[in-house]
Amino acid sequence: DAGVTQSPTHLIKTRGQQVTLRCSPKSGHDTVSWYQQALGQGPQFIFQYYEEEERQRGNFPDRFSGHQFPNYSSELNVNALLLGDSALYLCASSLAGGVINEQFFGPGTRLTVL
Amino acid sequence: GDSVTQMEGPVTLSEEAFLTINCTYTATGYPSLFWYVQYPGEGLQLLLKATKADDKGSNKGFEATYRKETTSFHLEKGSVQVSDSAVYFCALSDPNSGNTGKLIFGQGTTLQVKP
Repeated sequence: DAGVTQSPTHLIKTRGQQVTLRCSPKSGHDTVSWYQQALGQGPQFIFQYYEEEERQRGNFPDRFSGHQFPNYSSELNVNALLLGDSALYLCASSLAGGVINEQFFGPGTRLTVL
Repeated sequence: GDSVTQMEGPVTLSEEAFLTINCTYTATGYPSLFWYVQYPGEGLQLLLKATKADDKGSNKGFEATYRKETTSFHLEKGSVQVSDSAVYFCALSDPNSGNTGKLIFGQGTTLQVKP
């Protein structure tokens, strides 16, 4: 049973560029959440997708957007990249109505903005 | 707003020593509480959880008790191993976000266990 997978593993971009990160949830899960983890910090919630709609959003600007596909996979898009967007981006999946907040995390995508 | 505060690290212990990592929280409702572990180069793994006051979560020799009166959820292990070296995160679920709502994390505590 495949767990949560993310691609790419690493990414290097320059300021002002746009980036798309991808996530496939654990088999059987229907909810995907995205988190940003800056170096030496705990993860910060970006947003959550369920039934192809954004259900919750954290305190992130509109440059951060996402999408969920009918197969429950998800993308995180970041426009107009800033140096401060350099971080590990984590995807977590869960099952709506399942065990309370049993979120499973992927290995993350390390984004470096130069 | 809701928040989680962990003791600062790094924590360095010898193998078989007793471990305590302190965690306190601030929340307006009744959150569920979690400990996650992150090994080098990996994502987060759920270590244990507790969903209501006085619940004790346990896994792999680690334990934590949900203390509403002190708003704490301290992580303990009686005898650590070198393989326990990792970063440990305390987290709560936003009580207003339903059972799959967002997690609010502490800043993490690095544990290094020496042979």
